[in-house]
Amino acid sequence: QVQLQQSGPGLVKPSQTLSLSCAISGDSVSSNSAAWNWVRQSPSRGLEWLGRTYYRSKWYNDYAVSVKSRVIINPDTSKNQFSLQLKSVTPEDTAVYYCARDYCSRTGCTRFQVWGQGTLVTVSS
Amino acid sequence: DIQMTQSPSSLSASVGDRVTITCQASQDISHYLNWYQQKPGKAPKLLIYDASNLETGVPSRFSGSGSGTDFTFIISSLQPEDIATYYCQQYNNLPWTFGQGTKVEIK
Repeated sequence: QVQLQQSGPGLVKPSQTLSLSCAISGDSVSSNSAAWNWVRQSPSRGLEWLGRTYYRSKWYNDYAVSVKSRVIINPDTSKNQFSLQLKSVTPEDTAVYYCARDYCSRTGCTRFQVWGQGTLVTVSS
Repeated sequence: DIQMTQSPSSLSASVGDRVTITCQASQDISHYLNWYQQKPGKAPKLLIYDASNLETGVPSRFSGSGSGTDFTFIISSLQPEDIATYYCQQYNNLPWTFGQGTKVEIK
């Protein structure tokens, strides 16, 4: 059974970098049948997909245009986890952040089957 | 980006009622649509994938249908534990996008 455990600070100052990690159990971050995503949720934006990382003989990333200039999602194979870094945050980045495992087959990645517990991140001085 | 529009935004129904939620995509997404349930303070939970396939372990009172731009999610007999917000999500094109949610309450 795949489980995702999130960690990271709940309070970040404006202009600083938001950093969260998502530890994977029951699967490998290097799996060829998964993609590892970050999704956030706020009252103003609803559920918003931020990006993903996945391994298919090499590492790939996709990012939402809305955050592409500020976001990095990295795998950490030594710890079997992946991370989110969001730079230059503003109060608009205040949200609950979730990591999620995407089920993938030969035809593509199709559904968020497993989610982390969520982390409320508040951007405030 | 593909816009997903759900209706209604909220509804109130009695236990045992049939509940219907619709989701409309701003362009053709074939059958590339999922439905999630989210309870307060919890992460979303996958209920339906590929528009009409029931995720393992999900009760059969939940169902989905549709293709192209118009999709329907049904709870055939509302139970007290179904109180939640329901979201559709498309995976036809990146970025994956979600509907704004439908909050289901007991009358």
